[in-house]
Amino acid sequence: KAGVTQTPRYLIKTRGQQVTLSCSPISGHRSVSWYQQTPGQGLQFLFEYFSETQRNKGNFPGRFSGRQFSNSRSEMNVSTLELGDSALYLCASTPGTGNTEAFFGQGTRLTVV
Amino acid sequence: AQSVTQLGSHVSVSEGALVLLRCNYSSSVPPYLFWYVQYPNQGLQLLLKYTSAATLVKGINGFEAEFKKSETSFHLTKPSAHMSDAAEYFCAVSVTTSGTYKYIFGTGTRLKVLA
Repeated sequence: KAGVTQTPRYLIKTRGQQVTLSCSPISGHRSVSWYQQTPGQGLQFLFEYFSETQRNKGNFPGRFSGRQFSNSRSEMNVSTLELGDSALYLCASTPGTGNTEAFFGQGTRLTVV
Repeated sequence: AQSVTQLGSHVSVSEGALVLLRCNYSSSVPPYLFWYVQYPNQGLQLLLKYTSAATLVKGINGFEAEFKKSETSFHLTKPSAHMSDAAEYFCAVSVTTSGTYKYIFGTGTRLKVLA
């Protein structure tokens, strides 16, 4: 069974640009969550999508957005990039119902210069 | 509100020594608790989970954790550290929000293993 796949693994962008990250969950999983990980703030929850609907949202500005497709793949978008957006972005998948562990992808390392 | 506190952002142990990483949680309902490990530039990998069955939970790579309700703790231990255990470890609690589950992570403990 394939794991959670995140693409790309590394990205370098310039301030003011926008970026789109992709996450393919484990087959059969309908929930995808996104986290931002930085040395100073740790793991911070961005949002969760389930069956193409945003179900939970963290405390991030509107520049951070996401969506989920009918095949459960998810994308997150960050517009008007700031230097502080440099981070490891992690995606996690779960079946979406019941209380189970989250399965994580390897992350996308975003560097904003 | 539910929360997770990991005591000690950095822990150093000698190879072969006991590993003890501390985690305390706050939860108004019986929690589901997890320990994850992260190697550099990698995602998080599940080490073990507590789901209200046995209070002593065994995980991968020789790690185990004991759920102690009276102390609201879920400390991670390994009897003998190996160099390959050097990584960052995260404790997490799963909480319900409007019928869905959300994970709250501790700030992580970076484990260093000394030769």
